[in-house]
Amino acid sequence: EVQLVESGGGLVQPGGSLKLSCAASGFTFSNYEMNWVRQAPGKGLEWISHISATGLTVFYVDSLRGRFTLSRDNDRNTLSLQLNNVRVEDTAVYYCARGSATFFYSYYMDVWGKGTTVTVSS
Amino acid sequence: QSALTQPRSVSGSPGQSVTISCTGTGSDVYAYNYVSWFQHHPGKAPRLLIYDVSKRPSGVPDRFSGSKSAYTASLTISGLQDDDEADYHCCSYAGSDTWVFGGGTKLTVL
Repeated sequence: EVQLVESGGGLVQPGGSLKLSCAASGFTFSNYEMNWVRQAPGKGLEWISHISATGLTVFYVDSLRGRFTLSRDNDRNTLSLQLNNVRVEDTAVYYCARGSATFFYSYYMDVWGKGTTVTVSS
Repeated sequence: QSALTQPRSVSGSPGQSVTISCTGTGSDVYAYNYVSWFQHHPGKAPRLLIYDVSKRPSGVPDRFSGSKSAYTASLTISGLQDDDEADYHCCSYAGSDTWVFGGGTKLTVL
């Protein structure tokens, strides 16, 4: 079964750091680009970052560049999102989502995890 | 990277059809035929319903259909069922490996 499972969420103080992980299974992780998407309370989904299959190329939404760092370990089938200098407005459910395959390019996210909750509060 | 515009809520009775709109700009919806739609029940993983404006992944009933005209994409759900009550999100590719989502629409089945 193709599956993505996020972990690492929790309560963090403003200015603090947190590392989110996404464990992939059921498919060849190294053949797919990956994304993180978040949903703040009462808001819609927000795409925040994309990483190529090799991990060499990463893109971020303009508002987050510099504070969040996306990386992947293709040997461990794991995606990681490092959140630094977090703000109250970073409070959200964070989802990882599978993107395009390297062998057939596409522009949609077809498999999602159930998300991990980050709460930024003092 | 401004969010796409969706109605906050729509409603319909079982068996009826509803349409959810998603309006973007010349940098996303208008520029690319890469609009996707997701169904999201609270606490669950979002589910891909439509990709590339109007294509359905295997397993998605043909009651769900998508279209696009200029700056606005639409999701139509026909033959409403109780289980269709959920949040629906549109998403458009916006170039340079970036994406933009809509604000989400809550569908209530009366």
